[in-house]
Parts: sequence; structure tokens; C-alpha cells
Amino acid sequence: EPEVTQTPSHQVTQMGQEVILRCVPISNHLYFYWYRQILGQKVEFLVSFYNNEISEKSEIFDDQFSVERPDGSNFTLKIRSTKLEDSAMYFCASSLARENYGYTFGSGTRLTVV
Amino acid sequence: QKEVEQNSGPLSVPEGAIASLNCTYSDRGSQSFFWYRQYSGKSPELIMFIYSNGDKEDGRFTAQLNKASQYVSLLIRDSQPSDSATYLCAVGIQGAQKLVFGQGTRLTINP
Repeated sequence: EPEVTQTPSHQVTQMGQEVILRCVPISNHLYFYWYRQILGQKVEFLVSFYNNEISEKSEIFDDQFSVERPDGSNFTLKIRSTKLEDSAMYFCASSLARENYGYTFGSGTRLTVV
Repeated sequence: QKEVEQNSGPLSVPEGAIASLNCTYSDRGSQSFFWYRQYSGKSPELIMFIYSNGDKEDGRFTAQLNKASQYVSLLIRDSQPSDSATYLCAVGIQGAQKLVFGQGTRLTINP
């Protein structure tokens, strides 16, 4: 069964450092997403991406965050200057169509900011 | 603020019984409804989606939707210990390319 692949599985970074989280969506999917889940809390929407541009973003997704699809297969989330409160599981997801039949989530990257 | 509410549990059910999980949502414009299962430390895994009022069955799982009451539920028949997980209700918001998740209900199936 096709998978969404995320790397790394765990990233530890110092506060103020830049991090890039990587995702390889399912190959024929067109819509891409990032969500995050702080330990013990809800899964929260960050951003959706289609046709090489952001289609929607949440209040969390401020100027410190950016997304890119650099080469037609990878989908990345960059956090420019990490804060302690950015520590969370970050999930990438993809879907085939705009009609919402549910996403396939990747296995996640656990980001720990120290 | 569009909200999705779930009882956080824990909900404890004996093996072989029916587990019933409930979810309410605030946005009447919501059009699509999802149940995800999440094991501890893992990513959400889609179990079912439902768009229309009524019941939708898939194996041991039945999703029920009542848009008038803004209520969606998941029934798990013949519960197994492997069903022990957190169940996340998620709602697709009309006109938005995103899901809003509830906080999840932790389900424990006791052998």
C-alpha cells in the first residue's frame, strides 16, 4: 500500500535554530498538508498546499514557517527560528482529490526543541 | 472558532462487546466526517469517513451521522484488545482544505 514517508523520525534542535522536516507524499497525490500534535493535545492543522502554492494556512503558521515542494516529489516544512513551544509531532499528509475522502498521514517527525 | 468535541475517556469495554464513541461539532457547514485511530506515539490512521446522514458500515465498524444534531459516532462491534487506541473524530470544513480534529477518546478493550 502506498505510504507517505517522513524524515527524520526524531529531530532535536536548539532553540533559535532552523529545522527542515521532509516528506515524500504518495506519488499521484495532488494535495499536501502539514499538521502537528503537541504531546497530549489535539492534532492541529498548519498548512495545505496545492499546485505549488499554499491554499490555506492556520494562525499557527506564521512567518517562521514555510513550505516548499522543491523537486516534484519532496514536500518540506521549514521552521526558521525554533522556539520551545514548537516541540511536537509533525505529520505530513497527502490526498488525491480536493474532495475530502480523508488523508494518508506519514509516520511523523518528533521535533524536540531544547 | 470551529470546534469538534469528544469525551476524552478513558472508555473501558470488555472484549467482544460494542464500543460506542461520540463526537459533536459546532460548524453547521461541515460536510465530511472522519474517524481516525491513533496508537500511542503513532500517526492517525483513517478508519472511516461519512458524508450523508445515517449509518455507514465497514466490517466491525459503523459510523453514524446526524447533521441536524451535529453529531457523529463510531460503533466498534466485537471489540478486540487490538482496538485499544485513541480514536480521533475529524471534520472537514466547507470551503476549506483542512480537517478540524477533536481531542480524541482513549479506548481500552479489556480481555
